[in-house]
Amino acid sequence: DIQMTQSPSSLSASIGDRVTITCQASQDIRKFLNWYQQKPGKAPKLLIHAASNLETGVPARFSASGSGTDFTFTISSLQPEDIATYYCQQFHNLPITFGQGTRLEIK
Amino acid sequence: QVQLQESGPGLVKPSGTLSLTCAVSGDSISSENWWSWVRQPPGKGLEWIGQIYHGGTTNYNPSLRSRLTISVDKSNNQISLNLTSVTAADTAIYYCARLKTTLTTWIDSWGQGTLVTVSS
Repeated sequence: DIQMTQSPSSLSASIGDRVTITCQASQDIRKFLNWYQQKPGKAPKLLIHAASNLETGVPARFSASGSGTDFTFTISSLQPEDIATYYCQQFHNLPITFGQGTRLEIK
Repeated sequence: QVQLQESGPGLVKPSGTLSLTCAVSGDSISSENWWSWVRQPPGKGLEWIGQIYHGGTTNYNPSLRSRLTISVDKSNNQISLNLTSVTAADTAIYYCARLKTTLTTWIDSWGQGTLVTVSS
């Protein structure tokens, strides 16, 4: 199985801050990497697919990049509604695997 | 807009069988999409369970394969999950989801999830 390692596991930031989360795959997954946002008590929501493609309707303050084994997810200016847990997910090989999640909190 | 709704018992006894159904509306089960189950133990991360195509082709997580069956019911536009010999470790929120596949694959729609507790 491909292991997905997210860093950090939790993060505290202030409104307006730039926030960056990294995701590392245990082997080359090219660009088969998606990012999801999960708010408490809700199902995950797709934000970015294929490493860097913003899903329709997702605010432009969200972005992501990377390929191979190293990926980055960025919120350019943190907003109160961005408080959530963020997951990366690889679709290069079965079984599909997720990162352990990054919990984002307001400082 | 596609909607997915999970249903099934919220409590299953240890060694019993967990059975869930996902009703799909706004899209056909026979469309060019895969349909998947994902679970999340309380307070923990996401685990892919498996997926099915309308023709019946399935892919299962190897960690669950020996206990798992995912099936499709075209007449009712729904998919089902059966997990046998459950233990407390199978306690989780179970989500059904739609997979979009073009050059890559992603989950673009999720059900609201249903909590299944394994307990006597």
